[in-house]
Amino acid sequence: EVQLVESGGGSVQPGGSLRLSCAASGFTFSSYWMHWVRQAPGKGLVWISRIKYDGSKIEYADSVKGRFTVSRDNAKNTLYLQMNSLGVEDTAVYYCARDLWSAGDLWGQGTLVTVSS
Amino acid sequence: QSALTQPPSASGSPGQSVAISCTGTSSDVGGYNLVSWYQHHPGKAPKLMIYEVTKRPSGVPDRFSGSKSGNTASLTVSGLQAEDEADYYCSSYTGNNTVIFGGGTKLTVL
Repeated sequence: EVQLVESGGGSVQPGGSLRLSCAASGFTFSSYWMHWVRQAPGKGLVWISRIKYDGSKIEYADSVKGRFTVSRDNAKNTLYLQMNSLGVEDTAVYYCARDLWSAGDLWGQGTLVTVSS
Repeated sequence: QSALTQPPSASGSPGQSVAISCTGTSSDVGGYNLVSWYQHHPGKAPKLMIYEVTKRPSGVPDRFSGSKSGNTASLTVSGLQAEDEADYYCSSYTGNNTVIFGGGTKLTVL
């Protein structure tokens, strides 16, 4: 089955760190650019980052630049999002998505990250 | 960079057509034919409905169509059905491998 499955979400205190994973299956992961997108409670979708199929190019939204790091392991068919210096404003459901001409044509179900003291 | 501008809400009766706009700038919507539209039911994964302004992924009904004029893109839903009630988001490539989303539009089927 073609799917993306996020994991690693949970509760963390402000200033803490968390690493999310996105496991891909059913397609050639190493051929696709990938995105991370998040949605804060009651808010809209916000693009976070995009990584090239070989990991050689990565771009970030200004809101996470310098705090979040995206990487991928094509041998494990897995995308990662390392989040450091988390603030309450980072509380959101985090989605990974497969890229199709800058769109996301396949999405995971999301994983919830809650930043709270 | 500010989000693309969408109306917060839209509505229509079953069978009617409704259009949702998405306004950006010449640096995003107007500069590239890389506008996408998503349908999002709360608690579920977003679903791609339109990409590259007008293209429909396999399985998306042809009741959904996209267009663009200048810095404004539009999603039109024809023959509204109850299951079309959802949040809709536009997005656009902005150059340098970055993407921006709209604020979202809640579509209500009356």
